[in-house]
Amino acid sequence: GAVVSQHPSWVICKSGTSVKIECRSLDFQATTMFWYRQFPKQSLMLMATSNEGSKATYEQGVEKDKFLINHASLTLSTLTVTSAHPEDSSFYICSARDIERENNEQFFGPGTRLTVL
Amino acid sequence: KNQVEQSPQSLIILEGKNCTLQCNYTVSPFSNLRWYKQDTGRGPVSLTIMTFSENTKSNGRYTATLDADTKQSSLHITASQLSDSASYICVVSASGGSYIPTFGRGTSLIVHP
Repeated sequence: GAVVSQHPSWVICKSGTSVKIECRSLDFQATTMFWYRQFPKQSLMLMATSNEGSKATYEQGVEKDKFLINHASLTLSTLTVTSAHPEDSSFYICSARDIERENNEQFFGPGTRLTVL
Repeated sequence: KNQVEQSPQSLIILEGKNCTLQCNYTVSPFSNLRWYKQDTGRGPVSLTIMTFSENTKSNGRYTATLDADTKQSSLHITASQLSDSASYICVVSASGGSYIPTFGRGTSLIVHP
């Protein structure tokens, strides 16, 4: 149980295009999902907290108009990187919080590798 | 400011040997501490989770310890295997609020045959 999936697992796009990444909790409901970005040999950096049915909360320095987050259901959150540029190339990871479990444990997705040419 | 420091930054060991990774934190008020294993190009996978009252917890060849007084934790890997090569991340959560955890930078472990 407690599986989180991401789609796609990798994507290559041209500069200026938009890319949508999906994060799904497969066997539990997640009122809160988190989006992280990870550069090579760096730790995960929280970008935003996605709450079902309400606006996402963005961390300082993260442009909300560039990284659009939608959490329309209890099992799905999407991150759209708008007008992507090469500096947006990174490994994007989502996690979902299972409120039914002890300590509200977070479960991570497998990540999405974004390469912007 | 909540911080999590891990050491060493990287570690190379021979297959079959044991090793210990360290984690120091300043997160307060403390809720729980987790150790994750992250393979290259994959999402983190939970190894152990410990709350304030727990001093040690094992998961197969992985044993985590927690000293809440000194705010230190360690992850001990016994009889290492090639598949243990990964990044090990210490994550500490504070109680109350939004449960957003603080991540360490990770220790990169390489196990050589």
